[in-house]
Amino acid sequence: EVQLVESGGGLVQPGGSLRLSCAASGFTVSSNYMSWVRQAPGKGLEWVSVIYSGGSTYYADSVKGRFTISRDNSKNTLYLQMNSLRAEDTAVYYCARTRIAVAGTYYFDYWGQGTLVTVSS
Amino acid sequence: SYELTQPPSVSVSPGQTARITCSGDALPKQYAYWYQQKPGQAPVLVIYKDSERPSGIPERFSGSSSGTTVTLTISGVQAEDEADYYCQSADSSGTVVFGGGTKLTVL
Repeated sequence: EVQLVESGGGLVQPGGSLRLSCAASGFTVSSNYMSWVRQAPGKGLEWVSVIYSGGSTYYADSVKGRFTISRDNSKNTLYLQMNSLRAEDTAVYYCARTRIAVAGTYYFDYWGQGTLVTVSS
Repeated sequence: SYELTQPPSVSVSPGQTARITCSGDALPKQYAYWYQQKPGQAPVLVIYKDSERPSGIPERFSGSSSGTTVTLTISGVQAEDEADYYCQSADSSGTVVFGGGTKLTVL
């Protein structure tokens, strides 16, 4: 059974940093594309970042240069390092297994339960 | 930036058919996907590649595409189908885009 469990969320001051983790079971993270998707309170879904099985990474313009996606193959875990956090980064962050539809386009077939990040002073 | 447009809300009575639309200029060239999200829960994929249904998703969920509009159809709506529904696709560069979401209310 595929399971994704996020952790690491919490309250952080503007300009601060936080690292989110997503522990996977039932499949191998390194053999799949993996993404982070966020949802601000009462708002819609926003794609944040993806890491390809080959290691390439891509980011939404809103987080480029501030967030870093990575994985630890030995722990079968996905990470999101978030630096220079802003109030507008406040959201529930979901990790999601990512499937390829056609070259360069993808979708999300399994999601974790999410972890809340609140950026506030 | 590229946008996918969904109606904010749709209401139907139990047993009726609900249709939720999603419009975008790139939809004739890109697949669409649909997610169901109930309050306090993670999204669940209900339709992929315009009209394919993942295993475990009831047959009453179907998807279709026509030009710049894709449609999620829920036949014989049940109370448990009340949720927010999001379409997802990609812009011309392949960047993931989500629609704004549609709240389905079962009267």
